[in-house]
Amino acid sequence: DVKVTQSSRYLVKRTGEKVFLECVQDMDHENMFWYRQDPGLGLRLIYFSYDVKMKEKGDIPEGYSVSREKKERFSLILESASTNQTSMYLCASSLGSPTGGLNYGYTFGSGTRLTVV
Amino acid sequence: GENVEQHPSTLSVQEGDSAVIKCTYSDSASNYFPWYKQELGKRPQLIIDIRSNVGEKKDQRIAVTLNKTAKHFSLHITETQPEDSAVYFCAAAGANNLFFGTGTRLTVIP
Repeated sequence: DVKVTQSSRYLVKRTGEKVFLECVQDMDHENMFWYRQDPGLGLRLIYFSYDVKMKEKGDIPEGYSVSREKKERFSLILESASTNQTSMYLCASSLGSPTGGLNYGYTFGSGTRLTVV
Repeated sequence: GENVEQHPSTLSVQEGDSAVIKCTYSDSASNYFPWYKQELGKRPQLIIDIRSNVGEKKDQRIAVTLNKTAKHFSLHITETQPEDSAVYFCAAAGANNLFFGTGTRLTVIP
C-alpha cells in the first residue's frame, strides 16, 4: 500500500517565519505535488516535480518554493509566512508514464493544517 | 491550461436514493479522469477513474460516464448510504498534473 507521509498534521507559525513542510513517499513514484485546499476553492496546485532536482510551478507558486533532493522527499518552503497562507496543505505522489503525460491517480498524504498568526 | 468545473457544490439525498455529480473540462487533450472522495478530516482517496478510450466504468454502486465530444464526465452513486457522505472531487489530467474541480459536499440523510 502506497504511503505518503507528511511530517506535521498541525502547525502554528508566526508571520515572517520561514516554514518547511515535508513529504515522503515510499513507492518510488516519479511525480510529487503540493496543493493547498481552501473552502470553496478546491485543490490548487502550488508546485510539482517529475524527477529529482526538477520542479515546475503550478497555478499559485507565489510565496512558495520547493526542494526535491531525493526521489522520495518533496519539501514545500514558505519563505516568509503570511496570514493568507493559512490553509490545509496536501502532498501527493503518482507514477510517471512511459509514454509521457499523467495517466495515473494520485496518492495523497494526510495533510498539514498550517495556521499563520 | 485545463479548467474543470464541478456541479453541484452541495447535494443532499435520502438514504437509498441515487446521487449524480457532474464535471466539465476544457482541454480536449485530457485523457484521464479520476474521482476522489474526502471524508471529514481525512485525505482524498481515489474511488474510481476512467480513461478516454472508455465511455463508462462501474464498480459496485459507483459508476462514471465520459462524453468526450461534449467534454463532460459524471459520477453516479446508487443506493446511497450514510457512509457515502463526504466531499467528492473530479479531476482531469493535464500533461503533468491533475486539475481538480472545486468539490461537491454530499450528505446522505438516514
